Amino acid sequence: EVQLVESGGGLVQPGGSLRLSCAASGFTFSSYTMYWVRQAPGKGLEWISYISISSSTIYYSDSVKGRFTISRDNAKNSLYLQMNSLRDEDTAMYYCARGAGDYDSSIDYWGQGTLVTVSS
Amino acid sequence: DVVMTQSPLSLSVTLGQPASISCRSSQSLVYSDGNTYLSWFQQRPGQSPRRLIYQVSNRDSGVPDRFSGSGSGTDFTLKISSVEAEDVGVYYCMQGAHWPRTFGQGTKVEVK
Repeated sequence: EVQLVESGGGLVQPGGSLRLSCAASGFTFSSYTMYWVRQAPGKGLEWISYISISSSTIYYSDSVKGRFTISRDNAKNSLYLQMNSLRDEDTAMYYCARGAGDYDSSIDYWGQGTLVTVSS
Repeated sequence: DVVMTQSPLSLSVTLGQPASISCRSSQSLVYSDGNTYLSWFQQRPGQSPRRLIYQVSNRDSGVPDRFSGSGSGTDFTLKISSVEAEDVGVYYCMQGAHWPRTFGQGTKVEVK
């Protein structure tokens, strides 16, 4: 069974940093691309980052570019999101998700999410 | 960026009746390989999203056949043939033909 378990969320002050982790199991992690998607309270889904299998291709949304860094460790079956210079508007549930389909055109599995709250 | 526009944003459906959600993209979702990359997700209250449909009309394993997807180019539809109580939640479309990936605003479905 595919499992994605996020951790690392919490309360942080504006301007602070946080590192999210996503532990993958039930599939060959090194064979799949991965996404981070977030959802502000009561709002819709927002794609924020993508990483290819070998980490050679990485994309960010404009809203997080220059502040967030996605990475992965295939030996540890783990995905990460380093979040710096956090703002109030970064408050959201952060989901780790597995890429799927041709050209990683879709997402087939999602984690349960980890909540990040940015507030003074 | 490709803008995904869903309508309606809210839908109240009587149990057993059909429901239809529209998703329109600001650019064609036909990729250079000729395939169209549009997915549908369901998010039940308090849960993570779950994919229902990929590449416009392919249903995921375990998804009831009352869910169907159709469309082409920039105009897509998710249909529920006979709404059940467990279908309550928010439905999102997502395009996978362009970067950045973008989602529709979501359509909240409630059952009367």
